[in-house]
Amino acid sequence: EIVLTQSPGTLSLSPGERATLSCRASQSVSSTFLAWYQQKPGQAPRLLIYGASSRATGIPDRFSGSGSGTDFTLTISRLEPEDFAVYYCQQYGNSLWTFGQGTKVEIK
Amino acid sequence: EVQLLESGGGLVQPGGSLRLSCAASGFTFSSYAMNWVRQAPGKGLEWVSVISGSGGSTNYADSVKGRITISRDNSKNTLYLHMNSLRVEDTAVYYCAKVELPTGTIDHWGQGTLVTVSS
Repeated sequence: EIVLTQSPGTLSLSPGERATLSCRASQSVSSTFLAWYQQKPGQAPRLLIYGASSRATGIPDRFSGSGSGTDFTLTISRLEPEDFAVYYCQQYGNSLWTFGQGTKVEIK
Repeated sequence: EVQLLESGGGLVQPGGSLRLSCAASGFTFSSYAMNWVRQAPGKGLEWVSVISGSGGSTNYADSVKGRITISRDNSKNTLYLHMNSLRVEDTAVYYCAKVELPTGTIDHWGQGTLVTVSS
């Protein structure tokens, strides 16, 4: 089973700053099968990025994904107040899904 | 608009059983695989189970294998999770989710239903 490790655990930033979130896989993952989700308190997760770099419908272009192999990154170019949340990466393979433990982006 | 509405959660004693339901609308239900994903209080997301669009193929996380069964009724556009021999560690919000294959992307989530296992 592929393990996804996200870092940092918590990112303290101010609105307008750039956020860089990392997701490292224990073995190589095809970019096709890597996604990112945003979750706000009391809400269900929401798809942000699929295929490592494609934005989901309605996702602002300040969100971008990149990476390949074992290292993937979610970047938020300029944080808006509504972006403070927890972010999860996820991979799919062999009919099972694994999630990273999450990165919390909090207001500094 | 895709809608997924879970129900059936509640308080159950250890060793007990529960059946969760997820009513789907806004898409051709039988054409899509569906997942259950859970989230323990204050914790991260954990995949639980998947079922193919036809219902003929299923898979489970090791943590629930043998205790949980996923099923679907495509005539009713409804997904189920049958949970037996429940443990305290099964306490979580359970989300049903629509899956895009072959990428495995989870493109829509329900609002979740809380299962609490406690004596």
